[in-house]
Amino acid sequence: DTEVTQTPKHLVMGMTNKKSLKCEQHMGHRAMYWYKQKAKKPPELMFVYSYEKLSINESVPSRFSPECPNSSLLNLHLHALQPEDSALYLCASSHPPGVGQPQHFGDGTRLSIL
Amino acid sequence: SQQGEEDPQALSIQEGENATMNCSYKTSINNLQWYRQNSGRGLVHLILIRSNEREKHSGRLRVTLDTSKKSSSLLITASRAADTASYFCATDTSLYGNKLVFGAGTILRVKS
Repeated sequence: DTEVTQTPKHLVMGMTNKKSLKCEQHMGHRAMYWYKQKAKKPPELMFVYSYEKLSINESVPSRFSPECPNSSLLNLHLHALQPEDSALYLCASSHPPGVGQPQHFGDGTRLSIL
Repeated sequence: SQQGEEDPQALSIQEGENATMNCSYKTSINNLQWYRQNSGRGLVHLILIRSNEREKHSGRLRVTLDTSKKSSSLLITASRAADTASYFCATDTSLYGNKLVFGAGTILRVKS
């Protein structure tokens, strides 16, 4: 069992839909991350929140909108996605700040855009 | 963007054999981490080695780091079928230690 919980596990949506991915952790971590992983590729960082503030945005298109309502929750709001956005979206958390903190990952949401 | 390259891309061994995976990277790092990903699952942190360390052990895992060659290796001894997974190295180059860049990964298959 992973300590980072992501919901839903699978999501199919049309290009005009609005949906949200949710991530929750109760390990007291104050850094949370969103990654995108295409099939047979490594994860690519999208966003980093540190102490509930957005600290890194890796030039992600605005159709992806992150939100960190509190220290345990991280959301990714999706709107007007494209077929190439189909991927596994992984959430992770760690103790910040500082160097050398391992990240704990959830099992991801597998997103398919029709 | 991808910081590192891993080789081999795929590795198939018999149970009980040792598996070695290599990772090369391009820029100076704070630390290098290794993660495992089972099919359809998230990543699991295996081991972290800091830039001033040369070797680290954890159970059946041994990691080496050569900063002069910008390379690292992960050795899994006495492999088991349950070790079948993808293995990724990840480099941490950021000022605040929050940004990991993953290598392409090695797919390991351990046959029983």
